[in-house]
Amino acid sequence: SQQGEEDPQALSIQEGENATMNCSYKTSINNLQWYRQNSGRGLVHLILIRSNEREKHSGRLRVTLDTSKKSSSLLITASRAADTASYFCATDGGTNAGKSTFGDGTTLTVKP
Amino acid sequence: NAGVTQTPKFQVLKTGQSMTLQCAQDMNHNSMYWYRQDPGMGLRLIYYSASEGTTDKGEVPNGYNVSRLNKREFSLRLESAAPSQTSVYFCASSDRVWYTEAFFGQGTRLTVV
Repeated sequence: SQQGEEDPQALSIQEGENATMNCSYKTSINNLQWYRQNSGRGLVHLILIRSNEREKHSGRLRVTLDTSKKSSSLLITASRAADTASYFCATDGGTNAGKSTFGDGTTLTVKP
Repeated sequence: NAGVTQTPKFQVLKTGQSMTLQCAQDMNHNSMYWYRQDPGMGLRLIYYSASEGTTDKGEVPNGYNVSRLNKREFSLRLESAAPSQTSVYFCASSDRVWYTEAFFGQGTRLTVV
């Protein structure tokens, strides 16, 4: 079974709008990471947030973590066509590191 | 600085054939991973190696074997390929297992007919 699950599965917005995607997980974690995957390519790391952090920023990205709700959100502000990609959250599985998993991802389409 | 290099990029196998997917990283990372990604899905961990000399099963290890040849190289072997193993395989590495960002290769697209 998968630890991280993203929502929504697909998101389509206009350039300049903000995009928000969510990730829920089942068991306690040490950290949560967000990755981007362009079509046919490998994953690229975006941001890592540790379990004792609540919010983290990197450029146009803002990630929040709510360990009480076992959820995280990724906000991309002022989106660009180049942000079109699939976005995945990944958790470390806490004490069960071998079961660390990725969710199925959110496919973001940014229309010019 | 190549990062994580996977070979081959594409492969077609017949059911029952064997093959080894190669992965090498040049970032002096301790931990390496093999994932598979099926269409429209996320990555599922097959095996990982927390450090040189150790390997552990992930979520979907059946039908696969791995070898951590040295600190740089981590190979994935399919002994008897099955159509269910048709997938895109990604190798990744990180400085420490799970606690730092992982760097991914470009993937190997494997089709088993």
